[in-house]
Amino acid sequence: GEDVEQSLFLSVREGDSSVINCTYTDSSSTYLYWYKQEPGAGLQLLTYIFSNMDMKQDQRLTVLLNKKDKHLSLRIADTQTGDSAIYFCAESMDAGNMLTFGGGTRLMVKP
Amino acid sequence: KAGVTQTPRYLIKTRGQQVTLSCSPISGHRSVSWYQQTPGQGLQFLFEYFSETQRNKGNFPGRFSGRQFSNSRSEMNVSTLELGDSALYLCASSLEKNTGELFFGEGSRLTVL
Repeated sequence: GEDVEQSLFLSVREGDSSVINCTYTDSSSTYLYWYKQEPGAGLQLLTYIFSNMDMKQDQRLTVLLNKKDKHLSLRIADTQTGDSAIYFCAESMDAGNMLTFGGGTRLMVKP
Repeated sequence: KAGVTQTPRYLIKTRGQQVTLSCSPISGHRSVSWYQQTPGQGLQFLFEYFSETQRNKGNFPGRFSGRQFSNSRSEMNVSTLELGDSALYLCASSLEKNTGELFFGEGSRLTVL
């Protein structure tokens, strides 16, 4: 079955880079996503990558996909205190908008 | 453009009662999905509606149901509430099906006593 795993917690200093990792088990995943959830709020789509891509860059965000190892990562450059939030990776297999989410990684940015 | 609106934001019910949650998608969005978020199970997919038809359903008991109206607004209902149904229920809308680009509301926090 589908399973998406993330580490629970990451702490970085302001200005450093953050790397949040995710592993998934289903090799037929077509789309992989990163969502951000701030306290008391819903989820916000940050970026996504198609399974036929290795990398995608969007301003301070870089997504790397290693299909062989089923590993996805999100790098945030020049991390700011406003980046403190929970980050979820998610996969979809063309089954409409039915996403399987990881448990989320809580990113804490220290000034 | 207004975002996804969910009502009510907070509610308290007792075991055995039923609850109806409402979701108004972003104007023009035709797909509405529902997710349950709990500390133990994380985010779990409940169901998705597109053009008033249920397209997908997650692994939840029949006590969980939903529907979508012609204006794309959606409701979900949980009957015979159990303590374990306490959760944040998130609604997400999307312009079309098969995009995964979901726009989430702030959620309805249900507490079952």
